Amino acid sequence: AQSVTQLDSHVSVSEGTPVLLRCNYSSSYSPSLFWYVQHPNKGLQLLLKYTSAATLVKGINGFEAEFKKSETSFHLTKPSAHMSDAAEYFCVVSGSGGYNKLIFGAGTRLAVHP
Amino acid sequence: NAGVTQTPKFQVLKTGQSMTLQCAQDMNHNSMYWYRQDPGMGLRLIYYSASEGTTDKGEVPNGYNVSRLNKREFSLRLESAAPSQTSVYFCASSITRQGARETQYFGPGTRLLVL
Repeated sequence: AQSVTQLDSHVSVSEGTPVLLRCNYSSSYSPSLFWYVQHPNKGLQLLLKYTSAATLVKGINGFEAEFKKSETSFHLTKPSAHMSDAAEYFCVVSGSGGYNKLIFGAGTRLAVHP
Repeated sequence: NAGVTQTPKFQVLKTGQSMTLQCAQDMNHNSMYWYRQDPGMGLRLIYYSASEGTTDKGEVPNGYNVSRLNKREFSLRLESAAPSQTSVYFCASSITRQGARETQYFGPGTRLLVL
């Protein structure tokens, strides 16, 4: 069975400092992995997607994530946080089954302070 | 190109009332999904529709029904609302490709409060 664990429920950083949001996954096959962002009272927006091509995936707004199979991790990073990055971030793994199943992590709330 | 749209944005119901949440997409996607989001639990799939005319249960289908009205529209119905159904409901859509995990595109959500 597939699962995803976001290791931090809350992360707080200062504007201009690096961001690291941690995600571990479990999958019995080579999965697709996603990061979505949800700004307050908004829907979910795709940040980036890994589908077994390059292990370093670049997304929108300066975010990137590295797929590490040996560590079963897919951590999200950004070199320099901006106030507008404050949001909730979801790590998502594709599931098995006959349809496009997604399994969501519980989310990490990122706060950015001036 | 509006993407995925949902109506209403907010709704307050009394226990036992019924309502239908509407979802439409203009991206010509075959697959559509309904999720609920509860604090600390990420999103959980209620129902999905892999193509027009088909629907299937997801992880938490009890208390809900769906209708895939046509390729664009996928509605979610609560026949007799319960306080446990207080949640934020998201609709999503994606293309369908055999064996591939396609990106799902989400609507803005419907916030439902059941008193």
